[in-house]
Amino acid sequence: GQNIDQPTEMTATEGAIVQINCTYQTSGFNGLFWYQQHAGEAPTFLSYNVLDGLEEKGRFSSFLSRSKGYSYLLLKELQMKDSASYLCAPLGTYKYIFGTGTRLKVLA
Amino acid sequence: DAGVTQSPTHLIKTRGQHVTLRCSPISGHKSVSWYQQVLGQGPQFIFQYYEKEERGRGNFPDRFSARQFPNYSSELNVNALLLGDSALYLCASSWGQGNSPLHFGNGTRLTVT
Repeated sequence: GQNIDQPTEMTATEGAIVQINCTYQTSGFNGLFWYQQHAGEAPTFLSYNVLDGLEEKGRFSSFLSRSKGYSYLLLKELQMKDSASYLCAPLGTYKYIFGTGTRLKVLA
Repeated sequence: DAGVTQSPTHLIKTRGQHVTLRCSPISGHKSVSWYQQVLGQGPQFIFQYYEKEERGRGNFPDRFSARQFPNYSSELNVNALLLGDSALYLCASSWGQGNSPLHFGNGTRLTVT
């Protein structure tokens, strides 16, 4: 079957670090993507992992463990504009499966 | 460069009617995917087209159909609309059908009354 599990909601303070976890099960695996979606807007691409390990991209990093079906998105030096939903999306055979997303609230 | 464009942005229909949603991908992108997103949920996969052929279909009834044109633009058709079809319909394009990131349009907000 195909299943994705992420926390529904997280709260953090401006300037802090937050880790959003994602566990997944998919039919076929061709990598895992993270997307950011602000309320009322379309999702935008953040990061991609196909091999195990950490990918760093400025304030955002993403980690993948294929054997554990696990990924996380790490956001450093949080800013108010980071308040959004973060979608974990493993790529199966020809299709991305999106989780419900984690709604992150950044407080001043 | 223009991003993914979708039309219309908003639409109100009555139960039983049909609707056609349109999408133009980023220039050079050959793959178009359609997603349905209801409030508080992640996007649900409906279809993927690559080089004008259907390459994937999600768990949606046959009332949902789509096609991709020679210029790679795409249409999503929904027949016999139900109240539960009310959602944001997102189109996303990508360069290939494999591991290239999706670029989303701003979506069409469909309300069925």
